[in-house]
Amino acid sequence: DADVTQTPRNRITKTGKRIMLECSQTKGHDRMYWYRQDPGLGLQLIYYSFDVKDINKGEISDGYSVSRQAQAKFSLSLESAIPNQTALYFCATSAGTAPYNEQFFGPGTRLTVL
Amino acid sequence: AQKVTQAQTEISVVEKEDVTLDCVYETRDTTYYLFWYKQPPSGELVFLIRRNSFDEQNEISGRYSWNFQKSTSSFNFTITASQVVDSAVYFCALSEETSGSRLTFGEGTQLTVNP
Repeated sequence: DADVTQTPRNRITKTGKRIMLECSQTKGHDRMYWYRQDPGLGLQLIYYSFDVKDINKGEISDGYSVSRQAQAKFSLSLESAIPNQTALYFCATSAGTAPYNEQFFGPGTRLTVL
Repeated sequence: AQKVTQAQTEISVVEKEDVTLDCVYETRDTTYYLFWYKQPPSGELVFLIRRNSFDEQNEISGRYSWNFQKSTSSFNFTITASQVVDSAVYFCALSEETSGSRLTFGEGTQLTVNP
């Protein structure tokens, strides 16, 4: 089984709808992240969480919110989806507090907002 | 602020050619870490290598090698004798000591290896 899972894998929704993307991990890592990937822009950090009580905004947090329900679960919400939020979304985890720890990525969620 | 630039948007080679993917970074920290990730057509991101700012030794792993030069703020990635399975998007990323484990990614380079 995959260590980092994301649901759903694909989602098509309409402008104005509320959407939640979920991420679960079995790696036992404290740190979790949400990124979005747009063609030609690489991955941009939306939110990150160092533990259940610590949530931080990333580079592009406007229009998004997150919830860390448990060490293993980190959800990303779009309260009112808009077309320019169409992108590939990745959840990632890393161990410990050191900046040298590599991040482990989920398979991604492809979101289309019409 | 930290920044990573991968100037090559797309590269196309023929199988067995050598190819180098460029990565240039900017940081004010003296301690930082550089990473390469591979994103094959299936979409997942796969960690390839990490290098810290105090270790400028080049590294070789099979057909892959990495050249880290602090003098030019570059961390280039070379694939020797490329294969079709090397076709992917490759990302260079930077993590600063002062930013914890936050990663800043470059734009990515799409490598296509043709048979």
